[in-house]
Amino acid sequence: DAKTTQPPSMDCAEGRAANLPCNHSTISGNEYVYWYRQIHSQGPQYIIHGLKNNETNEMASLIITEDRKSSTLILPHATLRDTAVYYCIAHLSNTGNQFYFGTGTSLTVIP
Amino acid sequence: DAGVTQSPTHLIKTRGQQVTLRCSPKSGHDTVSWYQQALGQGPQFIFQYYEEEERQRGNFPDRFSGHQFPNYSSELNVNALLLGDSALYLCASSLLMGSGEQYFGPGTRLTVT
Repeated sequence: DAKTTQPPSMDCAEGRAANLPCNHSTISGNEYVYWYRQIHSQGPQYIIHGLKNNETNEMASLIITEDRKSSTLILPHATLRDTAVYYCIAHLSNTGNQFYFGTGTSLTVIP
Repeated sequence: DAGVTQSPTHLIKTRGQQVTLRCSPKSGHDTVSWYQQALGQGPQFIFQYYEEEERQRGNFPDRFSGHQFPNYSSELNVNALLLGDSALYLCASSLLMGSGEQYFGPGTRLTVT
């Protein structure tokens, strides 16, 4: 699986959009981009994943650049409960392979 | 539908002892993976079980072993505990040939003194 790079920390004002970047310049053509988050001392929670096209669900939107070398997770209206560590993972789907987590981005939503 | 459950929640052991952690996967899932998460770090893959066999293994010594039962539940065993084994142990379940999503349990916090 390709290595991903994320900023160690970010702040966002409550009610504003939180944009979390991820660099995955060595991603292969069939590796998906997955996003998970982990609220303090809980298990990681799945947010969203995508291959090429932008994806949206009830939690977030995922924007993947055309060359697939980077992506951005967007939380449209951040709340205090979105304060967590966010992990971006490049992963081959349908292989059952393990996830390689980095150190993620610690997002703090400020009132 | 119960998600992934783990027991116990917290555990304190002494160096040299042995510990067993348990995990029940999300209903319908056939694959269980175990991760170790040290304080301030991302989860590190230990191993994965499918059809009651260890399918993949990360860079962990053979003091770490596991088992998967016919009902897909799983155990993680750690022998000869070291202080450095203190961590949050996470279990994740998935479908081997699914979309790749893994569902994580709340974890077991192990403290070795």
